[in-house]
Amino acid sequence: GDSVTQMEGPVTLSEEAFLTINCTYTATGYPSLFWYVQYPGEGLQLLLKATKADDKGSNKGFEATYRKETTSFHLEKGSVQVSDSAVYFCALEAGSYQLTFGKGTKLSVIP
Amino acid sequence: NAGVMQNPRHLVRRRGQEARLRCSPMKGHSHVYWYRQLPEEGLKFMVYLQKENIIDESGMPKERFSAEFPKEGPSILRIQQVVRGDSAAYFCASSQDRDGYTFGSGTRLTVV
Repeated sequence: GDSVTQMEGPVTLSEEAFLTINCTYTATGYPSLFWYVQYPGEGLQLLLKATKADDKGSNKGFEATYRKETTSFHLEKGSVQVSDSAVYFCALEAGSYQLTFGKGTKLSVIP
Repeated sequence: NAGVMQNPRHLVRRRGQEARLRCSPMKGHSHVYWYRQLPEEGLKFMVYLQKENIIDESGMPKERFSAEFPKEGPSILRIQQVVRGDSAAYFCASSQDRDGYTFGSGTRLTVV
């Protein structure tokens, strides 16, 4: 079945550091890939998405590129801020309406 | 245009009681999805509903759990005779067609 594996956290970074959160997937066909962010006590918000190979999703300084050859969709940001502290979820949708999520990576950014 | 509204935000139930979780989709959205997030886990799909119809309940536990989305009113996720293992965050999402989920803020159920 479909699955998403993302790096385990927690990840602690200093403000302005570079962020990478790894995500790899297993799916039949050609899934759409997503990154969601969950701030403390809130629901999930779509951060970015990509629907086909080599697409780059970007939003709020975050980027991720759909790499079919390595089945990966790593999240990156060049300079993190304290306000980026949250849990980040990688997810895929493989031709149906169901989203398959990774376990989430908690990011803490310290001043 | 309010987003997806879930209530209550927090719910505490004793073992054996019933829990009712409500979800009002975004205006104009006719598709509702329920997901469960266990501690330290990602979200897992439970059920997909349209008005008065259950489309896919393949992620629902076979016993004690049920869901509905009536013609009028919110979608309801009902858990009968709750047990400690039901403690989790339950998220509802809605969409206009089968794209573009919007998630609610969730209901955090604690069974004591």
